Amino acid sequence: DAKTTQPPSMDCAEGRAANLPCNHSTISGNEYVYWYRQIHSQGPQYIIHGLKNNETNEMASLIITEDRKSSTLILPHATLRDTAVYYCIVRDNFGNEKLTFGTGTRLTIIP
Amino acid sequence: GAVVSQHPSWVICKSGTSVKIECRSLDFQATTMFWYRQFPKQSLMLMATSNEGSKATYEQGVEKDKFLINHASLTLSTLTVTSAHPEDSSFYICSARGSVFDTQYFGPGTRLTVL
Repeated sequence: DAKTTQPPSMDCAEGRAANLPCNHSTISGNEYVYWYRQIHSQGPQYIIHGLKNNETNEMASLIITEDRKSSTLILPHATLRDTAVYYCIVRDNFGNEKLTFGTGTRLTIIP
Repeated sequence: GAVVSQHPSWVICKSGTSVKIECRSLDFQATTMFWYRQFPKQSLMLMATSNEGSKATYEQGVEKDKFLINHASLTLSTLTVTSAHPEDSSFYICSARGSVFDTQYFGPGTRLTVL
């Protein structure tokens, strides 16, 4: 079972910030939130992950709510190349848990 | 991020033949490698997990005698689809991670078409 819920699709105007929500209401204390994206006909690309603090890297920012039951991935200035399916996944980094993919959010960047 | 390669990127074969797909971690040692399969318009489905030097662990419903996995070194895992049939046509993607605490990185995928 996927432990996360994401909207099936979203549109965002080029140059604007894309905010992708993810619900993970049953997340446990040891589980991290990971984000990957898959551009058509390619393997998934790692974006970012976090436990409870907000995280930022060169690709995106990850905002995790204080109760950790939801998070938002932010692409600050979306470009056409950001069109992809975005997957939010929770994983226990201290076990041997594998990544289980749900259906993700298909993000389309509009010119 | 770390780089994972796959070879070939695409392959077409006749029904009944076997096909081998290689997955390599180029700049790190992969203790664990994973093999996924993705059908059109569907999400990735995990097929099996392999640890270097050990037998692979297959997910429920995946035939271990049909999908042979070898993880003989810390940088190479292979998936052999034996006696391939048209229903095995799919996008096969490998991923790798160093330790259990590490991020999992994915290869670019191999598109298999069985005629």
